[in-house]
Amino acid sequence: GAVVSQHPSRVICKSGTSVKIECRSLDFQATTMFWYRQFPKQSLMLMATSNEGSKATYEQGVEKDKFLINHASLTLSTLTVTSAHPEDSSFYICSSCPRENYGYTFGSGTRLTVV
Amino acid sequence: AQSVTQLGSHVSVSEGALVLLRCNYSSSVPPYLFWYVQYPNQGLQLLLKYTTGATLVKGINGFEAEFKKSETSFHLTKPSAHMSDAAEYFCAVSEGTGFQKLVFGTGTRLLVSP
Repeated sequence: GAVVSQHPSRVICKSGTSVKIECRSLDFQATTMFWYRQFPKQSLMLMATSNEGSKATYEQGVEKDKFLINHASLTLSTLTVTSAHPEDSSFYICSSCPRENYGYTFGSGTRLTVV
Repeated sequence: AQSVTQLGSHVSVSEGALVLLRCNYSSSVPPYLFWYVQYPNQGLQLLLKYTTGATLVKGINGFEAEFKKSETSFHLTKPSAHMSDAAEYFCAVSEGTGFQKLVFGTGTRLLVSP
């Protein structure tokens, strides 16, 4: 149980275009979704926290106008990378906590390559 | 603010040898501590977690970790390494209830040789 499905797993896009990444909770209600970014051979850095029905909270240094997060339902949160540039190329992972003390469930990640 | 320090970006062991991955944390409140494993181009899989109660926590695939408050440590161990254990391991800490954000260490790559 407690599965987060993340799509797409890989995407290649041209500079200047936008890319949407979806994370769906399949068997629980994800009231909170965490979005992380991971550069090669580095750790996961939290980008933002989204709560269903409200605006996302962004970490310091993360451009909210560039990384648009929508959490309109209890089972779907999306991250849109707008006007993507090569430096946005990274591995993006979402995570949610199904219930208190359960721990965190992670999506399988999206490898974004901007050319 | 919370932080996690993982000593050693790479750890190499022989198959069958003891695995020890070190993690020290800093937290102003009683921490929730986690170990995750990541295989290339995949998400994270929970190995084990400490919230409250017994300080020795057993996880999947034969891994265990011990929460030592006096040493602010949560080291991960496995008595006998398998080739399939080769992966990236992350220690993480969160505040309290589990709905708080996770703060990750920099990760340790475990290499297992035949």
